[in-house]
Amino acid sequence: GAVVSQHPSWVICKSGTSVKIECRSLDFQATTMFWYRQFPKQSLMLMATSNEGSKATYEQGVEKDKFLINHASLTLSTLTVTSAHPEDSSFYICSATKRQGADSPLHFGNGTRLTVT
Amino acid sequence: GENVEQHPSTLSVQEGDSAVIKCTYSDSASNYFPWYKQELGKRPQLIIDIRSNVGEKKDQRIAVTLNKTAKHFSLHITETQPEDSAVYFCAAKRGNEKLTFGTGTRLTIIP
Repeated sequence: GAVVSQHPSWVICKSGTSVKIECRSLDFQATTMFWYRQFPKQSLMLMATSNEGSKATYEQGVEKDKFLINHASLTLSTLTVTSAHPEDSSFYICSATKRQGADSPLHFGNGTRLTVT
Repeated sequence: GENVEQHPSTLSVQEGDSAVIKCTYSDSASNYFPWYKQELGKRPQLIIDIRSNVGEKKDQRIAVTLNKTAKHFSLHITETQPEDSAVYFCAAKRGNEKLTFGTGTRLTIIP
């Protein structure tokens, strides 16, 4: 169990347009979902933490008006990159936990490779 | 906040030999330490984790050790195989707070 599905797996968009990425927990209810960004050959950087039914908590330096997160249900969170620019090109990965707690493992989606031209 | 350092950044070992990756953390209250393996273009996958009340954990060829006093933990892979080649990330977490990742180690197994 604990499958997280992310869609799309890759997307190419023009500068100035918006892109929506979906993250679904398929066989469990995720109390919390996380969105990470990973640039080539770098580590995963947390962008925001999203709890169902409440506003996302953004990490320092991440623009909440540019990276819109919606977590409307226990199985779905979306990340919308608004007015995308080439510097937003990256690998975006969501993850989810089944429960709160110190030892709750993260289950990752397959990631979305965004290329902004 | 938590800060996790990971070494080495790259590691090449002969097939069959052992590989060791080390991490240190700054927050003495951190109590959960997972290790993830990430192949190129794919998602990170949890390979082993350890809680702060345990000093060592083993799963077949993979083991993790934790030294709370020194605030460091290590991943040990024995009898390495070509399919072990990947990027490995350590991470640390305190309670319900966010998971902080290390900078990653690119492991290459030489046939």
